[in-house]
Amino acid sequence: GAVVSQHPSRVICKSGTSVKIECRSLDFQATTMFWYRQFPKQSLMLMATSNEGSKATYEQGVEKDKFLINHASLTLSTLTVTSAHPEDSSFYICSARDGASGTGANVLTFGAGSRLTVL
Amino acid sequence: DQQVKQNSPSLSVQEGRISILNCDYTNSMFDYFLWYKKYPAEGPTFLISISSIKDKNEDGRFTVFLNKSAKHLSLHIVPSQPGDSAVYFCAASSYSGGGADGLTFGKGTHLIIQP
Repeated sequence: GAVVSQHPSRVICKSGTSVKIECRSLDFQATTMFWYRQFPKQSLMLMATSNEGSKATYEQGVEKDKFLINHASLTLSTLTVTSAHPEDSSFYICSARDGASGTGANVLTFGAGSRLTVL
Repeated sequence: DQQVKQNSPSLSVQEGRISILNCDYTNSMFDYFLWYKKYPAEGPTFLISISSIKDKNEDGRFTVFLNKSAKHLSLHIVPSQPGDSAVYFCAASSYSGGGADGLTFGKGTHLIIQP
């Protein structure tokens, strides 16, 4: 089945630094990838929709200059948390849709997530 | 405002019995619903889905029921097994047949299967 790889799984950084998280679709091409954020005991909140070759679409309340998204190829999207602060500490999850999956076209495959801790 | 609600944060069920997880939604535009299973420190994995044109979808031990008039869906697991212990997320989408909308998730229900 479709596999999405997310890296790194855990990252600890100092306040003020930037952190990049990669999301790769391993065996399919994903024209669209999604980035979610999950706080403890909360639902996954959609942050942005990443489209290959164009600018990402951000959800209301998500700072586009804070969370930079690049979707440079059909298999790779990156999320960069710029000038990270402790309140950015969270679990970030990417997902991708395999557009060639027929009736499963609306089924997303999720990465394993990245735990970001900002000191 | 939560558009997808899972009002039970946790549910404990005895092994072999039926587990019923509930989900309510408020957005009438949602027409595709999914259940995801999530283990700690892992991403969610797809379990089962249902289109709004159906009221039931079954896959092995898992059945999802949709009541559109009540804006309610439920996931039935029977018989429940220890490996079913996980957090279950209900998600909804206004799938437009070509669009790629992100999903709206509920807060999840932690299912605990007791031996």
